[in-house]
Amino acid sequence: DQQVKQNSPSLSVQEGRISILNCDYTNSMFDYFLWYKKYPAEGPTFLISISSIKDKNEDGRFTVFLNKSAKHLSLHIVPSQPGDSAVYFCAASAWLGNQFYFGTGTSLTVIP
Amino acid sequence: DVKVTQSSRYLVKRTGEKVFLECVQDMDHENMFWYRQDPGLGLRLIYFSYDVKMKEKGDIPEGYSVSREKKERFSLILESASTNQTSMYLCASSLGGGPGRYQPQHFGDGTRLSIL
Repeated sequence: DQQVKQNSPSLSVQEGRISILNCDYTNSMFDYFLWYKKYPAEGPTFLISISSIKDKNEDGRFTVFLNKSAKHLSLHIVPSQPGDSAVYFCAASAWLGNQFYFGTGTSLTVIP
Repeated sequence: DVKVTQSSRYLVKRTGEKVFLECVQDMDHENMFWYRQDPGLGLRLIYFSYDVKMKEKGDIPEGYSVSREKKERFSLILESASTNQTSMYLCASSLGGGPGRYQPQHFGDGTRLSIL
């Protein structure tokens, strides 16, 4: 059963606007969350992370929000750029666990 | 920058063959992982290792084995390849301090394996 879900397989956004990518999880033991970006024919690259003691983490144009009560996290990209077009994966890990669980990915297209 | 190198980008093998996928990292990372990526299923963990000669099963270890004889190298072995093992295989590494938690994983570019 998928413990980390990305319910939107794809998203299209105009250049300069905000992109919001969503991720839901079911395991309340998860306490560390990451976002990865993947271009075709390349491996995923780490983008940003957040631990459960925070509800927001920013890095330049990228902000991750965590809502523990809703078991939901989101990635905001502002402003979106054509180079942001890629597949984005969220991942989660638990303190007592021993692996990361990945979502199925959301393909973002930023239209110039 | 961390470099995770997978020996082949594309590989075609036949059913029943024993297949070796090699992964090398150059940053002295303790932890190494093998995933497969399939459409609609995301990345699924096959095996991981957080020390030389040690391994742990992930979610889908059946039909696979691994070897970690040196810290920098982690090999995935398909004992007898089958068509349902056709997939993209991704290797990753991360710093230690446990089984990779609180440390992001760094990925190789993947091996697209086709079993005919």
